[in-house]
Amino acid sequence: EVQLVESGGGLVQPGGSLRISCAVSGFTFSNYEMNWVRQAPGKGLEWISYISGRDGRNVNYADSVRGRFTISRDNAKNSLYLQMNSLRAEDTAVYYCARGGGSYADYDFWGQGTLVTVSS
Amino acid sequence: QSALTQPRSVSGSPGQSVTISCTGTSSDVGAYNYVSWYQQHPGKAPKLMLYDVSKRPSGVPDRFSGSKSGNTASLAISGLQAEDEADYYCCSSAGSYTYVVFGGGTKLTVL
Repeated sequence: EVQLVESGGGLVQPGGSLRISCAVSGFTFSNYEMNWVRQAPGKGLEWISYISGRDGRNVNYADSVRGRFTISRDNAKNSLYLQMNSLRAEDTAVYYCARGGGSYADYDFWGQGTLVTVSS
Repeated sequence: QSALTQPRSVSGSPGQSVTISCTGTSSDVGAYNYVSWYQQHPGKAPKLMLYDVSKRPSGVPDRFSGSKSGNTASLAISGLQAEDEADYYCCSSAGSYTYVVFGGGTKLTVL
């Protein structure tokens, strides 16, 4: 069974940093592209980052987070990460990791999300 | 890249059909056949319903179908059921294959 479990969310002050993780199981992690998608409270979905499979050499970021967030993966640990720096109030959201389905913009499995709250 | 435009809400009675539109630009929906649709029930993670405009993942009923014309994609749901009541989001590659934008979401109410 495919499972994605996010962790590491919490309360952080504006300007602070946080790293969230996504532990996966039930599939060969290294073969899949991965993404982070977030959802602010009561709002819609926002794609924020992509990483290619295998060596994770190719990455991409939404304009709203480029230069502040860094996506990475550790295939040996079956884990995906998002390092978030210079956090702002508008980064408050539930952060989902999502597996790429083999095409583009298709996310076939999602975690349950981890809540990041940026507030003083 | 701006978000794709969806109606805020649509509604229909059980058994009826509804269509949800998703309007973008020549840089996203119009440029790629990589449009997908997600269903999200309250408090739950999104679920992939359609990808590559009109392909259904395994397990998604054929009541759900997709199409695209120019800069607008559409999700059609026939034979509405109570469990279809949810938020629906469209999504498209934009500017590059791996840069993605979502629509603002549409709340489907089954009357």
